[in-house]
Amino acid sequence: DAEITQSPRHKITETGRQVTLACHQTWNHNNMFWYRQDLGHGLRLIHYSYGVQDTNKGEVSDGYSVSRSNTEDLPLTLESAASSQTSVYFCASSESSASLETQYFGPGTRLLVL
Amino acid sequence: GNSVTQMEGPVTLSEEAFLTINCTYTATGYPSLFWYVQYPGEGLQLLLKATKADDKGSNKGFEATYRKETTSFHLEKGSVQVSDSAVYFCALRRTGNQFYFGTGTSLTVIP
Repeated sequence: DAEITQSPRHKITETGRQVTLACHQTWNHNNMFWYRQDLGHGLRLIHYSYGVQDTNKGEVSDGYSVSRSNTEDLPLTLESAASSQTSVYFCASSESSASLETQYFGPGTRLLVL
Repeated sequence: GNSVTQMEGPVTLSEEAFLTINCTYTATGYPSLFWYVQYPGEGLQLLLKATKADDKGSNKGFEATYRKETTSFHLEKGSVQVSDSAVYFCALRRTGNQFYFGTGTSLTVIP
């Protein structure tokens, strides 16, 4: 079955370190998204990609970067982790067709920055 | 701009009670509307959706009707079960593939 996976599921790091969160989907979807989930804010879009070599900034992109070198993967990098980036991170993907517009979510990565 | 407002939680109900979670939206044009559910420790899953005015989305006993005149998409279920305990997110999709999510409403159903 097609799926979307994230790794690691839990991560503890220190302020100032670079951290990369992996997202891998086997749906062959063109569109991929990174969100963070914080109490009182719901899900906020960090970055998104509509295809290989395409990346775009979302609502809360400062301090984060992504790259899309193939269809399956969209890794999220925190350049220099800050305590404000402690959150739960979700990756999602969707097909490009307007009739298949549902987003499919990964299980999430819980990140703690000390 | 585009935004979604849903009722504050948490909501606690007894089993077999009637559920309503309010959701209103702001968007230009004609967005598609969604309800997602998040069970503890998991990612979001699509619960139901509606793509045009007066459409009713339904799944697992949950229903929501796209009301353009009131810009609403309230989630309802006639008889909740303990297994419905989760966080529910209302969302809209405008042009492009970006989604806008509400802040989520936590539901706890007690036996």
